[in-house]
Amino acid sequence: DAGVIQSPRHEVTEMGQEVTLRCKPISGHNSLFWYRQTMMRGLELLIYFNNNVPIDDSGMPEDRFSAKMPNASFSTLKIQPSEPRDSAVYFCASSDSTGVNEQFFGPGTRLTVL
Amino acid sequence: SQQGEEDPQALSIQEGENATMNCSYKTSINNLQWYRQNSGRGLVHLILIRSNEREKHSGRLRVTLDTSKKSSSLLITASRAADTASYFCATDAAGRRALTFGSGTRLQVQP
Repeated sequence: DAGVIQSPRHEVTEMGQEVTLRCKPISGHNSLFWYRQTMMRGLELLIYFNNNVPIDDSGMPEDRFSAKMPNASFSTLKIQPSEPRDSAVYFCASSDSTGVNEQFFGPGTRLTVL
Repeated sequence: SQQGEEDPQALSIQEGENATMNCSYKTSINNLQWYRQNSGRGLVHLILIRSNEREKHSGRLRVTLDTSKKSSSLLITASRAADTASYFCATDAAGRRALTFGSGTRLQVQP
């Protein structure tokens, strides 16, 4: 298995632009998580899905952030409009909800908003 | 927000020495896990300990959990230069699979 796949790996954009981050979870995993990592706040949950349904979006900073999971093999995290304070590394992770909660992380997307 | 703190924030040791990292958390948990992150990479799961367990071993790793003190420790024995990374504890609660991470310990193992 290729593991969790994220794209792009790096994104540099200007303030006000729309950014879309993509994630393909491990085949067979039915839980998907989006986390954000910054120096100031560390690793924090943004949203997670179980069987493609959003379960907890309490970590989504504001309405500029939205996430979708149209099917079991794909999820997007969109920021519109982007702001410099959104600069961070965004991680996607997946797990099998029927087992122990070991989460498998993707390599992350490093987002820089100028 | 972060569940709790890890200490030390940074640790530098010589190859062959043991490294101990501690983690504290704030709320009741289901499981506690330790993850490793190499610079610029994603997190890799190391070991999971359930709330009803007190100690667990995996290779050179030893994890302890004290739920009365809401704390855990990770011991890496006979460290190697390749163990250089950041180590994070993460907790989940009953009915909530999302992980809450600690602040991490940066471990440097000098060859």
